[in-house]
Amino acid sequence: QVQLVQSGAEVKKPGSSVKVSCKASGGTFRSYTINWVRQAPGQGLERMGGIILMLGTANYAQKFQDRVRITADDSTSTVYMELSRLRFEDTAVYFCTREAVSGNYVRWYDPWGQGTQVIVSS
Amino acid sequence: DIQVTQSPSSLSASVGDRVTVTCRASQSIDYYLNWYQQKPGKAPRLLIYAASSLQSGVPSRFSGSGSGTDFTLTISSLQPEDFATYFCQQTFSTPMYTFGQGTKLELK
Repeated sequence: QVQLVQSGAEVKKPGSSVKVSCKASGGTFRSYTINWVRQAPGQGLERMGGIILMLGTANYAQKFQDRVRITADDSTSTVYMELSRLRFEDTAVYFCTREAVSGNYVRWYDPWGQGTQVIVSS
Repeated sequence: DIQVTQSPSSLSASVGDRVTVTCRASQSIDYYLNWYQQKPGKAPRLLIYAASSLQSGVPSRFSGSGSGTDFTLTISSLQPEDFATYFCQQTFSTPMYTFGQGTKLELK
């Protein structure tokens, strides 16, 4: 049973960076694709990007392309999401989630981490 | 990007009601459509994948249907624990998956 555990809440100043971690357990880490999804207060779900761990390659949503970096540490089975040049509107809960794939290329997100609250405040 | 539009954005219902939520994609996505349930302060939970496949452990009162551009999530008989927000997600356009705006299901 795959489980994802995220780091704790953060309070950051505008213009600074935040790095959120997501530690995986219960499966074969390098076989995963891990995605990051954020949810602003009272809003919907927005995919930021993901990393294919077997290849070590990350891809990003265009909106975040120049500010987000997703990396992984195989030795600790941990994925990181770093968002730079923070703005007030980056205040949100950030989730990591595994992208599961079936034999006919059907994909879904399961499981999810518990979420990390990031507050951007001066 | 493929857009997915959910309706309604909110819905009031009573325990025991049959409820339907719809999701429309901006282009055909075959059956690459998932449904999630989210409760306040919690992560989303997968309910349905590939439009109509029930995730393990999800009660059978939940069902999904549709293909192409139009999809539905149906709860056959609402239970108290079903009051939550529901999201659809298209996974046709790898890896740029998009979510619907959500449907908040509230107690009437």
